[in-house]
Amino acid sequence: DSGVTQTPKHLITATGQRVTLRCSPRSGDLSVYWYQQSLDQGLQFLIQYYNGEERAKGNILERFSAQQFPDLHSELNLSSLELGDSALYFCASSDSGTNNEQFFGPGTRLTVL
Amino acid sequence: GQNIDQPTEMTATEGAIVQINCTYQTSGFNGLFWYQQHAGEAPTFLSYNVLDGLEEKGRFSSFLSRSKGYSYLLLKELQMKDSASYLCAVRVMNDMRFGAGTRLTVKP
Repeated sequence: DSGVTQTPKHLITATGQRVTLRCSPRSGDLSVYWYQQSLDQGLQFLIQYYNGEERAKGNILERFSAQQFPDLHSELNLSSLELGDSALYFCASSDSGTNNEQFFGPGTRLTVL
Repeated sequence: GQNIDQPTEMTATEGAIVQINCTYQTSGFNGLFWYQQHAGEAPTFLSYNVLDGLEEKGRFSSFLSRSKGYSYLLLKELQMKDSASYLCAVRVMNDMRFGAGTRLTVKP
């Protein structure tokens, strides 16, 4: 158990819908990262927040957005969902902004029908 | 472009040593990571290299040559539980780029 929690574990929704994925980092960790893992694309870095501020941006689509709240939990919002958005979404946390070691949560499996 | 290449699959025998290679061509370099991922589970951190040379951590070692754009992960005394995917990742500025992963199968 990494200490990072994610909810929900599974999510099934339809194209065009909007969903919110939630992540709670390990106690004391200030940085939160979001990743998408699909069969054809592998693991892709989406975005990083550090202490409430956006720190780095990867391959995140404009339909996706994230935020980190004062209690350091984070949410990833996915809108206008498409079939290709079906994937595992991982959240990871680290204790600093320079992510030498990240601890991954168990992931949320999103299925878009 | 940004390329991170590693073999797709490897097979090794329990008790043996296996080396998983990773080559990269990226516009910038700020560290190289290795992660282990069992099927259906989250990745777990194995190692981090930012300077050339070998980092040893128990049965696992990781090597980096920045001039060659090359790293390897060495696994010694293989155990059945080492059957997993091994992901090489390069940090470019604050972005993380992952290879497609190497699926290692350990056979008795």
